[in-house]
Amino acid sequence: DIVMTQGALPNPVPSGESVSITCRSSKSLLYSDGKTYLNWYLQRPGQSPQLLIYWMSTRASGVSDRFSGSGSGTDFTLKISGVEAEDVGVYYCQQGLEFPDTFGAGTKLELK
Amino acid sequence: EVQLVESGGGLVQPGRSLKLSCAASGFTFSDYAMAWVRQAPKKGLEWVATIIYDGSSTYYRDSVKGRFTISRDNAKSTLYLQMDSLRSEDTATYYCARMGSYMGFAYWGQGTLVTVSS
Repeated sequence: DIVMTQGALPNPVPSGESVSITCRSSKSLLYSDGKTYLNWYLQRPGQSPQLLIYWMSTRASGVSDRFSGSGSGTDFTLKISGVEAEDVGVYYCQQGLEFPDTFGAGTKLELK
Repeated sequence: EVQLVESGGGLVQPGRSLKLSCAASGFTFSDYAMAWVRQAPKKGLEWVATIIYDGSSTYYRDSVKGRFTISRDNAKSTLYLQMDSLRSEDTATYYCARMGSYMGFAYWGQGTLVTVSS
């Protein structure tokens, strides 16, 4: 199985600060179609997860442009430019390259 | 508006069965692969199973293979998860999700809690 490893944030984070969440995969997620099968989700407290970013860097419909995704085949970053109260929650990366789909353990964002 | 509404969760004894349902609306159900993802209390997300748009192929995580069955009724726009031989480690909130071509989970339901305990 592909192992997804996420980094931690130096919580709590001051409102308005920019933060980066890291994710590393044990295998390259770059497929022969040229797309990288790495997705990002946010789960706000008490809510279901929501898709933020797919194919490593494409924002999902309705997602703020404060969120951006980047990376290589195995190392990925989700950047939040100017953290706001609504960004609080747990962020997960997920690989969709092969079954079983696997998620990172999650990175918690708390606001100061 | 895409809506996914799960039902069927509850308290069940180890070794017994439970069937979850997910009623979909707001999109053409038969066009999309669907999945179940679970989350144990205070834990992270764990993919359970996926079924492609016409039901002809299914995929499972190893720990549920042979015990869980994912299925769909495209005429009713409903996704199912039949769970047999339940174990305490299956205790979780089970989410129904619509998949995207990027092999991610584009839309999620509100979840249904399954508790396996004697």
